[in-house]
Amino acid sequence: GENVEQHPSTLSVQEGDSAVIKCTYSDSASNYFPWYKQELGKGPQLIIDIRSNVGEKKDQRIAVTLNKTAKHFSLHITETQPEDSAVYFCAQLSPGTYKYIFGTGTRLKVLA
Amino acid sequence: GAGVSQSPRYKVTKRGQDVALRCDPISGHVSLYWYRQALGQGPEFLTYFNYEAQQDKSGLPNDRFSAERPEGSISTLTIQRTEQRDSAMYRCASSPYTDTQYFGPGTRLTVL
Repeated sequence: GENVEQHPSTLSVQEGDSAVIKCTYSDSASNYFPWYKQELGKGPQLIIDIRSNVGEKKDQRIAVTLNKTAKHFSLHITETQPEDSAVYFCAQLSPGTYKYIFGTGTRLKVLA
Repeated sequence: GAGVSQSPRYKVTKRGQDVALRCDPISGHVSLYWYRQALGQGPEFLTYFNYEAQQDKSGLPNDRFSAERPEGSISTLTIQRTEQRDSAMYRCASSPYTDTQYFGPGTRLTVL
């Protein structure tokens, strides 16, 4: 069945460094890929998304890149800050459906 | 403004009892999703509503699980004859259409 593989499962970076999280999907027809940030005790919050008709999207310190050939997409956070510490989930909208498939999450720790 | 609300926030029940979990979406949101999230995992799709129509229930684990959204606003997820394996965080999300989901805080269900 469809799945989204997410790596790494944990990531520790020094404040000010960059963090990269990668997800790989299986269905080449997929065309919408959101990223969510989940803080302790809260629900996931959409931080950025990308559609298959573009290769990159940026929003201040956050960017997402999409490689349709290799079927992977990545979240890039630059100039990390302690408040970036959270669990990040990638997701894929299953083509032709309303069903979202989520990755297993990456716990990011930004060390001050 | 008001976000997605869920009640109760915590529910402890005994095996074999029925439970009803409520989701109050953002006003005017057409789409409503239910997810189950195990500890350390990403949300797992359960079902999707477009207004009052349940358009996808492929993620419901078995026939003990059901959901309704009779007036296209508030939704209820019902689990009959609960089992210990049903213990999880149940989250709902609403959306103006089918992207940009806004998640609620979740209901933590514990089945003893």
